[in-house]
Amino acid sequence: GAGVSQSPSNKVTEKGKDVELRCDPISGHTALYWYRQRLGQGLEFLIYFQGNSAPDKSGLPSDRFSAERTGESVSTLTIQRTQQEDSAVYLCASSFDRGPYNEQFFGPGTRLTVL
Amino acid sequence: AQSVTQLGSHVSVSEGALVLLRCNYSSSVPPYLFWYVQYPNQGLQLLLKYTSAATLVKGINGFEAEFKKSETSFHLTKPSAHMSDAAEYFCAVRDDKIIFGKGTRLHILP
Repeated sequence: GAGVSQSPSNKVTEKGKDVELRCDPISGHTALYWYRQRLGQGLEFLIYFQGNSAPDKSGLPSDRFSAERTGESVSTLTIQRTQQEDSAVYLCASSFDRGPYNEQFFGPGTRLTVL
Repeated sequence: AQSVTQLGSHVSVSEGALVLLRCNYSSSVPPYLFWYVQYPNQGLQLLLKYTSAATLVKGINGFEAEFKKSETSFHLTKPSAHMSDAAEYFCAVRDDKIIFGKGTRLHILP
């Protein structure tokens, strides 16, 4: 496809369950980012992948959060033992490389609701 | 560490009036600055970016931003607001990763 895609678009889960969110970046984009956007809040950086380098996990809020990326392709964000405060829109973005002027292209997001 | 501060979480302007959304940054030289827009129920899209080629940067939909090093600012403006401009606007600065401001929600009054 032409843009970044994310699935599912909406996810409702019960507190304590695990969830997996998927991101398919634009083909050829070596950099991939995950952000969290809580209702009425700005974007909170979670994790950043760049090529084969070790990911920058400095934004992950707790050890319940983890993410993986297969090569320079799809990424999965996993939240274990979900809590109500995890409810948010999770946004994925990709860019061509880590060059400073390269813009990020965002997916439509996954809206996660934890009951 | 680099950061951006957006002044005003909500801004209301009348249709046809000037839009001014403020952004101040903290960055090592040179700063790499962006404005993104998020329309209701849509993803973020790039409005414009500062590339050091010119201090006044023109973006899509009639928006522009001026880089002022002395003021460490990168305010977003549009001469005449349209109803379709109602959205949330994010200023961002890039080091190895992009750091976003908290966003400013723009309301357009008829």
